[in-house]
Amino acid sequence: DTAVSQTPKYLVTQMGNDKSIKCEQNLGHDTMYWYKQDSKKFLKIMFSYNNKELIINETVPNRFSPKSPDKAHLNLHINSLELGDSAVYFCASSQEIGQATDTQYFGPGTRLTVL
Amino acid sequence: AQSVAQPEDQVNVAEGNPLTVKCTYSVSGNPYLFWYVQYPNRGLQFLLKYITGDNLVKGSYGFEAEFNKSQTSFHLKKPSALVSDSALYFCAVRDRGGYQKVTFGTGTKLQVIP
Repeated sequence: DTAVSQTPKYLVTQMGNDKSIKCEQNLGHDTMYWYKQDSKKFLKIMFSYNNKELIINETVPNRFSPKSPDKAHLNLHINSLELGDSAVYFCASSQEIGQATDTQYFGPGTRLTVL
Repeated sequence: AQSVAQPEDQVNVAEGNPLTVKCTYSVSGNPYLFWYVQYPNRGLQFLLKYITGDNLVKGSYGFEAEFNKSQTSFHLKKPSALVSDSALYFCAVRDRGGYQKVTFGTGTKLQVIP
C-alpha cells in the first residue's frame, strides 16, 4: 500500500488554466504539507494542515488554495496558472507537527508543466 | 529564524570509500535535525533524525550523522559508499515546540563512482 499518494503524477497545461492536485495518506497522521521543488531542486514549504486546520501558510500567491476535507486528504487548487508555477509539487504527512515524531513521509510528486 | 546550509552542491566519492555530506544549521533554540534522500523522480525518503541524547545517530542503509552543538553541524556519514547511494541528500532543521516548519537545505548531490 502506498503511504502517501498524489494524483496526477504529471500535469501539463496552458497558462491561465485552473488545476488541482490531490493527496491522500493512509498512515493515520494528523499533519499534512505541500512543498514546491523548483528546477534547481530547492524545496520550499507552501502550506501545512493539522487535523484539517491550516497552521502554516508561507508567502504563497493566493492563486494557490489548499483544501483539507479530512485529515487523510490535502488537495491543492491552483488558479490562473503561470509559467513560474512549473515545478514538482510534493505532498507529505507527519504524525504530529512539533513533536519528536515529526518525521515527514513524502508522496511521489506531481510534475506540473505550464506552457 | 532557522536556516540550514549544505555547502557542497556535489560530492564525488569512489565506491568503497567513506563519504561525508556536510550540513550546518542555525536555530534560536535546540534543534531537531533530519536527513532525507531523494532518488531521481521520487519523493524524499527519511534517513535519520537527531532529537536528543547520543550525538551519533544511526539511520537507514548504513548512514549515520553526528550532531555537534558547538559547531552547529550535523554531517551525514557512511563508512563505505555504494553506487546505489548516488542520490540527492537534504539536511533539514526544525526548532522545537509549537507549529514550526521544517527548513530544508539546498541539497547535495552524491555521486559514487564505481
